[in-house]
Amino acid sequence: QVQLQESGPGLVKPSETLTLTCDVSGYSISSGYYWGWIRQSPGRGLEWIGSIYNTGRTYYNSSLQSRVTISRDTSKNQFSLKLRSVTAAETAVYYCARLGAALDFWGQGILVSVSS
Amino acid sequence: EIVLTQSPGTLSLSPGERVTLSCRASQSLSSSHLGWYQQKPGQSPRLLIYATSTRAPGIPDRFSGSGSGTDFTLTISRLEPEDFAVYYCQKYDTSHTWTFGQGTKVEIK
Repeated sequence: QVQLQESGPGLVKPSETLTLTCDVSGYSISSGYYWGWIRQSPGRGLEWIGSIYNTGRTYYNSSLQSRVTISRDTSKNQFSLKLRSVTAAETAVYYCARLGAALDFWGQGILVSVSS
Repeated sequence: EIVLTQSPGTLSLSPGERVTLSCRASQSLSSSHLGWYQQKPGQSPRLLIYATSTRAPGIPDRFSGSGSGTDFTLTISRLEPEDFAVYYCQKYDTSHTWTFGQGTKVEIK
């Protein structure tokens, strides 16, 4: 069974960088699929942030592209999100997931608050 | 950019009733690229249906999906108490982007 688990700080200051990691078990991230990040806030619903393919190629939401980096560490079977210059409006639950045309496995989510 | 619009925003229903949820795309979609999710409070979304009409593993057969082009539907044949939740449709583009609808809440009447 594929399992994903997000980790990282629950509080980030405005203008700083949000950094999260997703640990994957039960499947090698270099074997196939896309691996990505989705966030959810009351005002914005579910928003896809970006994904990294099993080849290492990355794809980003155009509205966030200038501030987002997704990377991976295949030796640890994990991938990470960096979102720079965050604002209070980016307070949300951040999920990692396995993506094909559909998202079949999700992490439990991590609430990240952006506040001074 | 293709936008997904779900309707209605909220449905108030009783257990045992039949439910039909709508997801309309602003442009035609491949039926292979449309999915549906269920989300309960405090939980991650759960994949119900992919490729318009294929149930994900472990999903009861009271859930079914249909549609083509710009109009897609999720049907719950008979509402169970555990089905009261928010439902989202989602599309994948061959430009490697994923987009969700705004959701439909199914609440107890």
